[in-house]
Amino acid sequence: GNSVTQMEGPVTLSEEAFLTINCTYTATGYPSLFWYVQYPGEGLQLLLKATKADDKGSNKGFEATYRKETTSFHLEKGSVQVSDSAVYFCALTQSSRGGSQGNLIFGKGTKLSVKP
Amino acid sequence: KAGVTQTPRYLIKTRGQQVTLSCSPISGHRSVSWYQQTPGQGLQFLFEYFSETQRNKGNFPGRFSGRQFSNSRSEMNVSTLELGDSALYLCASSPRGGRLETQYFGPGTRLLVL
Repeated sequence: GNSVTQMEGPVTLSEEAFLTINCTYTATGYPSLFWYVQYPGEGLQLLLKATKADDKGSNKGFEATYRKETTSFHLEKGSVQVSDSAVYFCALTQSSRGGSQGNLIFGKGTKLSVKP
Repeated sequence: KAGVTQTPRYLIKTRGQQVTLSCSPISGHRSVSWYQQTPGQGLQFLFEYFSETQRNKGNFPGRFSGRQFSNSRSEMNVSTLELGDSALYLCASSPRGGRLETQYFGPGTRLLVL
């Protein structure tokens, strides 16, 4: 079945460091790929998305490229801030021959802590 | 536009009781999905409603049910609560629930079963 695997955390970085959170997926058809972020005590917020191969999603300095050949959607940011401390989830939506299925399948989440 | 709202935000119940959670989607959104978040299992899809019909369902027992009203508001119900049902329940809405769409999440209802 469809699944998402992302790197285990927690990840601790100093402010202004480079961030990479790896995400790979297994899916049939043509999934859309998402990164969501969850701040303490809150629900999920969309960070970025890509809906087809080679698309690059970007937002707030974060980027991820949909790589079909490596089934990956790694999240990167060139210079993290303390305010980026949160849990990051990689996710996909399925597609099926019978039509679209919009339910999200999530990775386990990666907790990021950024120290001043 | 107002975001997705969920009520109540916190609930404490005892084993064997039942509970009803409510979700109001973003205005104009007709698809509402529910997810369960636990430390052990992570985020898991419960079900999706569109135009008052359950269109998609995850792998949860029949104790978990839901419904959607004509104004797209949705409720989920858990009967005969078990300790393992303690979780954050998240509701998300999107215009039509297609795979290309972004799902917008509410703040969640945190359920504690004692």
